[in-house]
Amino acid sequence: AQKITQTQPGMFVQEKEAVTLDCTYDTSDQSYGLFWYKQPSSGEMIFLIYQGSYDEQNATEGRYSLNFQKARKSANLVISASQLGDSAMYFCAMRGTGTDSWGKLQFGAGTQVVVTP
Amino acid sequence: DAGVIQSPRHEVTEMGQEVTLRCKPISGHNSLFWYRQTMMRGLELLIYFNNNVPIDDSGMPEDRFSAKMPNASFSTLKIQPSEPRDSAVYFCASSLRGEETQYFGPGTRLLVL
Repeated sequence: AQKITQTQPGMFVQEKEAVTLDCTYDTSDQSYGLFWYKQPSSGEMIFLIYQGSYDEQNATEGRYSLNFQKARKSANLVISASQLGDSAMYFCAMRGTGTDSWGKLQFGAGTQVVVTP
Repeated sequence: DAGVIQSPRHEVTEMGQEVTLRCKPISGHNSLFWYRQTMMRGLELLIYFNNNVPIDDSGMPEDRFSAKMPNASFSTLKIQPSEPRDSAVYFCASSLRGEETQYFGPGTRLLVL
């Protein structure tokens, strides 16, 4: 069975500072994908970044980067130069390739980020 | 290109009524997923389709829930009869098989009184 753990229920960050959101996972699949989604107060789920388990380079998308440490089973999201619009709930998710896990996104509980001026 | 489209965006109904949620995936995507989000259980997958065929419905809570995908551009999630504990946000997502990322619709916020 897959499991995603986000241990930070909420955090405050000052505008223009960087913030790291923690995510650890557990899976028996050899191949898997890791994702981060953003959910602002309006409710939609916005895809931010993806990391494949066999990707050697850490994924980056603009101000978002994923710090992937396979041996530690962690996939932390780093947001650089925070903006007020970054205030949202952030979800880490994993998609496996096993018979029971293919196609399924398993989500963590989320981390609420509030960016202050 | 248009993203995933869901309707209605909000639904308020009374216990015992039938509820039908609708989803139009991104054109060309051949995998479609229904998720439910609640405070207690977070985001959970209900069912997903590949090429209009249901692949895994193990997340469907009970027989009151059913989902169909009659063609590549339309899917429904039906609850009959609805109960207050079904109140949640229901998301539809789609992806292109072979690609990893699932793109979510805006969600339907359901309240069962």
